[in-house]
Amino acid sequence: NAGVMQNPRHLVRRRGQEARLRCSPMKGHSHVYWYRQLPEEGLKFMVYLQKENIIDESGMPKERFSAEFPKEGPSILRIQQVVRGDSAAYFCASSGPGDTQYFGPGTRLTVL
Amino acid sequence: DQQVKQNSPSLSVQEGRISILNCDYTNSMFDYFLWYKKYPAEGPTFLISISSIKDKNEDGRFTVFLNKSAKHLSLHIVPSQPGDSAVYFCAARDISSGSARQLTFGSGTQLTVLP
Repeated sequence: NAGVMQNPRHLVRRRGQEARLRCSPMKGHSHVYWYRQLPEEGLKFMVYLQKENIIDESGMPKERFSAEFPKEGPSILRIQQVVRGDSAAYFCASSGPGDTQYFGPGTRLTVL
Repeated sequence: DQQVKQNSPSLSVQEGRISILNCDYTNSMFDYFLWYKKYPAEGPTFLISISSIKDKNEDGRFTVFLNKSAKHLSLHIVPSQPGDSAVYFCAARDISSGSARQLTFGSGTQLTVLP
């Protein structure tokens, strides 16, 4: 499968727990992006990373959210001490040097 | 402040006819536009894109038109097929943003193609 991979597809957490979302970019892509979609809304940019570097985190909430893209392994979006308002679909996208971003299937986070 | 607007939440079209999905934007620093299609419980699928230096781009049944003076773009699908039924998102890249890579999305239009 040459597409963007995300896991888990569904994640249920209780308030106060941590959520870890993983994203493996398409083969040959070195740029990773995370977006969040709230119900009935469009996707909102969160963060843009290259290997071992955060390039643009202007869309990330200031607290509890962090992202990384290590030299080896997938990109991780981490949400600490989740609250109900974090319930959303989180999409990862990747791109090569060009402009087109290709999206994964998303992780649907539900906070109880 | 919505910089990319899709004012029609839904659109129904008869199979075989043309579907026209519209998108308006307010940010004059947008220089690259994309259309994505999204089925329920899946990620957005890239359809077609256009650079701000062009006014038209065509790929099979899909054509995107860009009117920079009106800050308007549209996606034409002809002929429409039942499999085209999905939510369509317009997205734009802002060259003045920090990384010039983040996309700003509209809220989507649900297209239903009736057999």
